[in-house]
Amino acid sequence: SSELTQDPAVSVALGQTVSITCQGDSLRSYYATWYQQKPGQAPVLVIYDENNRPSGIPDRFSGSSSGDTASLTITGAQAEDEANYYCNSRDSSGNHLLFGGGTKLTVL
Amino acid sequence: QVQLVQSGSELKKPGASVKVSCKASGYIFTSYAINWLRQAPGQGLEWMGWINTNTGNPTYAQGFTGRFVFSLDSSVSTAYLQISSLKAEDTAVFYCARGRSIDYWGQGTLVSVSS
Repeated sequence: SSELTQDPAVSVALGQTVSITCQGDSLRSYYATWYQQKPGQAPVLVIYDENNRPSGIPDRFSGSSSGDTASLTITGAQAEDEANYYCNSRDSSGNHLLFGGGTKLTVL
Repeated sequence: QVQLVQSGSELKKPGASVKVSCKASGYIFTSYAINWLRQAPGQGLEWMGWINTNTGNPTYAQGFTGRFVFSLDSSVSTAYLQISSLKAEDTAVFYCARGRSIDYWGQGTLVSVSS
């Protein structure tokens, strides 16, 4: 498969834990990368190489992977985490990038 | 600090062409590829392809061949996206982004196509 599949929408209560998943065959071979995008803004890298955070990203963000599924977990979600989240990886050739359709996270 | 600064919004008529620029600073331009991505209104991110900043060799994703051209001017650390024969459905925000594993993004350029 040359696709990455994400749930369109997920919600979480303030302060609770939520996982956003990304499924695709390419995830068996390549790490997932995760981006956060707020309305009217460019995406921001939050997790790379499956479970590494760039400087400035809170440690409540973490990543994991199992088989063909990668997950982004937010432990203790905050109001400012409400955003669209996109996963990304490479296709089977390794030369092209794939993006999931995005998950809209609502913090209740 | 790493920055990718894109050119401003464009309003074009169908059939026209547009050229979007992406000026890089804060790092060695030829050390990282530049990707181009499209985001139609209310939609997700679509990867259009990337350009090797060492060789100038572009790679286009399926659906972005023919009317879309990536180019460079390494003397000014700038990448370009040119779109010809614009259609209304090309209306979108276009992003440049750094690296084969994208770490930094430009601020986006809105291209609106309307008669």
